[in-house]
Amino acid sequence: DAKTTQPPSMDCAEGRAANLPCNHSTISGNEYVYWYRQIHSQGPQYIIHGLKNNETNEMASLIITEDRKSSTLILPHATLRDTAVYYCIVSPSNSGYALNFGKGTSLLVTP
Amino acid sequence: NAGVMQNPRHLVRRRGQEARLRCSPMKGHSHVYWYRQLPEEGLKFMVYLQKENIIDESGMPKERFSAEFPKEGPSILRIQQVVRGDSAAYFCASSPSGQGPETQYFGPGTRLLVL
Repeated sequence: DAKTTQPPSMDCAEGRAANLPCNHSTISGNEYVYWYRQIHSQGPQYIIHGLKNNETNEMASLIITEDRKSSTLILPHATLRDTAVYYCIVSPSNSGYALNFGKGTSLLVTP
Repeated sequence: NAGVMQNPRHLVRRRGQEARLRCSPMKGHSHVYWYRQLPEEGLKFMVYLQKENIIDESGMPKERFSAEFPKEGPSILRIQQVVRGDSAAYFCASSPSGQGPETQYFGPGTRLLVL
């Protein structure tokens, strides 16, 4: 599996956009980029995923660079409830099920 | 529609005892996955089961750990003769199809503490 690199922690002011980067320079052509988050003492929650095009849903936007070696998760208007650990994972979508999370980025949203 | 249920939420065992962790998937989901999260680490895949079948147990330790998902009832992760290194949060996820990680819904986890 391709490995990912994320900053260990980030801060963001409430109401501002949170931009969480992820490097995945060894990603394979058939691997998707997935983002999950884990709020303290809860199970992970799926946010978004993409292959090479930018994606947007009700939770976030995912920007993937043209060479696919990095991506950015964007929370457009962060709230206090977005404080969590955010994980970037690469996995083949159609056949992948064995998720292995790194240490992620601990995002703290402040008032 | 209730989410994935896990019980107990917290479990304390002494070294050498057995731990049984239960996972009830979401209604209509027949695929179950177990993950372990060691302190200060991310989740790691352990095992993937469908009803009455183990599909992939490549992430599960070869000794003392076993998992089942019977035709009726919850999935069970069993740890025999627990050691302190087994202290972790154990999460299960369920999905309706086994296709794509985005279809997995995670439970709240069971936090095992081995004294």
